[in-house]
This record gives sequence, structure tokens and C-alpha cells, in this order.
Amino acid sequence: GENVEQHPSTLSVQEGDSAVIKCTYSDSASNYFPWYKQELGKGPQLIIDIRSNVGEKKDQRIAVTLNKTAKHFSLHITETQPEDSAVYFCAASRGAGSYQLTFGKGTKLSVIP
Amino acid sequence: GAVVSQHPSWVICKSGTSVKIECRSLDFQATTMFWYRQFPKQSLMLMATSNEGSKATYEQGVEKDKFLINHASLTLSTLTVTSAHPEDSSFYICSASNRGSTEAFFGQGTRLTVV
Repeated sequence: GENVEQHPSTLSVQEGDSAVIKCTYSDSASNYFPWYKQELGKGPQLIIDIRSNVGEKKDQRIAVTLNKTAKHFSLHITETQPEDSAVYFCAASRGAGSYQLTFGKGTKLSVIP
Repeated sequence: GAVVSQHPSWVICKSGTSVKIECRSLDFQATTMFWYRQFPKQSLMLMATSNEGSKATYEQGVEKDKFLINHASLTLSTLTVTSAHPEDSSFYICSASNRGSTEAFFGQGTRLTVV
């Protein structure tokens, strides 16, 4: 089955700096890679996703890059704000929607004002 | 995006009792629902996948007789934790998708505490 590794487990940045979280996956058949933000006591919220036919996707301060050959993808948050503080999870699956997601272990991001 | 509502958001029950958690898709028909369990400071672990009108598929190590999943309609799936024990205390999260969806939508989670 799929195995997703995520690093780092914790990340502290100063407000305004950038944050980068990296994930690797093992299943070459995976083609959908979403990123979720989870605040304490709440369910995960999709913040951005990318499919294997695309190398990079950007949505305002958030971007995701995918290297299919190396089987790794990264989340980039620029101009971080205190409200970005949360736990971020990467995931991988063989398709979107009704396909099973395999999650990374999560990264706790702390943005220091 | 689509809305998935989970109820209750938290519940405390006594050991030996059963607890039912509901997961509803409010504005779309969910042909597939997933149930996850999350321990503190850990990732989401898939428990089972349920497709409307058929039996749930459980992940290895998940007791199907303890965690009963019913997906009787296109907008509702339920997870019943039977004969709950303190080790069942956890955060349970559902997600739902439609066959044509490009993403799965998550509920807000249910905090179960068994005392």
C-alpha cells in the first residue's frame, strides 16, 4: 500500500517568513495530492491540491509543487500570518473524491508574531 | 465547497454503552463516505470505507462488530461504537464524496470520551 512521509513534524517561523513542508510517497500509481489544515478540535480543511499532470499550483500565499519522478511534493506558504498556525497534513491517493487517502503524520506550524 | 455535518461534536459515555455518530452531507449526494480515527497529536487513520447501499469495507485491524457502519442513504452514514471502552476514546472524523467529486469533504469531527 501507499506510504506517505512528512517532514518536519514541527515548524516555527516568524510572521512574514515563508514555511515549507515536504512529503514523499511510495505508490507510483498515486496521482492526487491534497494538503489539509487542521485546527485544534476540528476536522481537516482542504487548502490546496495537485494532480500528477501538473508540476506546480498556486493559490494566493499557498503553493504546492510536485516532482513525480522523485515522488515528493511540497507545500509552500509565503508571508505567514499567526492565523496560519495549525497542523498541516499531506495526503496521497490514486484519484480524487471517492478514492482512499493516505495521510502523512502532520506538521505543527507555529507562526510567531 | 460542499458541507459535511457530523453530530455530535463531542460525547461522553460510560464503559459498556454504545454511541452513534452521524455524518451527513448537506448539499450533495455522498456515494462514498470514509470514517477515520485520530489520536491526540497523530495523523488520521482510515477505519472503513462505506458506499451507499452496500456493506462497509474495513481496514485491517478494525473490528467490524465493534465499529458498526451504516450508509443507508446518499446523505447519511452512521458509525456506532458498541460496548465502548476507555481505549475507544478518540477523535472520529468522517469524509464524504460523490462519484464525480474532485475532492472529499470532511466533517468537523466527534470527540468521544469513554469513562
